[in-house]
Amino acid sequence: AQKITQTQPGMFVQEKEAVTLDCTYDTSDQSYGLFWYKQPSSGEMIFLIYQGSYDEQNATEGRYSLNFQKARKSANLVISASQLGDSAMYFCAMSPVRSGYNKLIFGAGTRLAVHP
Amino acid sequence: DVKVTQSSRYLVKRTGEKVFLECVQDMDHENMFWYRQDPGLGLRLIYFSYDVKMKEKGDIPEGYSVSREKKERFSLILESASTNQTSMYLCASSSPYRGRFRVGTEAFFGQGTRLTVV
Repeated sequence: AQKITQTQPGMFVQEKEAVTLDCTYDTSDQSYGLFWYKQPSSGEMIFLIYQGSYDEQNATEGRYSLNFQKARKSANLVISASQLGDSAMYFCAMSPVRSGYNKLIFGAGTRLAVHP
Repeated sequence: DVKVTQSSRYLVKRTGEKVFLECVQDMDHENMFWYRQDPGLGLRLIYFSYDVKMKEKGDIPEGYSVSREKKERFSLILESASTNQTSMYLCASSSPYRGRFRVGTEAFFGQGTRLTVV
């Protein structure tokens, strides 16, 4: 079965500190992409970062980095120097490649609250 | 500016009605997706389409059907709306082409349709 698990329903962090949001995935496919999205209270879905299953280096995008551990099937998001505007829902997603097409499946999400 | 547009932001329908949710994208993407979002459950995939007239069931297809007659348009149909289909519905599109492994680009989302079935 293909599945994304986010075990932290809610997290909080002090402003300017780093925080790690956990994500584990389950797939038997060899090729897949991993994504993180942010959903602020306004409801829009904002793409943050991508990691490919064959990428040897962990992805980074500004203050976001993805701690990819393929053997453990984990793809944790690290946000450095948290800001108040980082308060939002965060979703981990996977796009496995099967039969020439890819679906996109999401986890249940983690609500992050950044405290001043 | 790239766009995924859903036809309605809010809808109220009666139990038993046939409901159409429309989604249009202007990015020439092959992949299109319909999700429902409920608190604590994240985004659950209802159906997706990887080409015109091609569709695949997601994790929760029961009570729904889809139509993709043109590349840019993907419709979600609730054959006979029920109160347990009250939810936020999100449409998304993506390209399958990223490197040589076709793992797909990031998805672009519509603004969502909040459907209430009474």
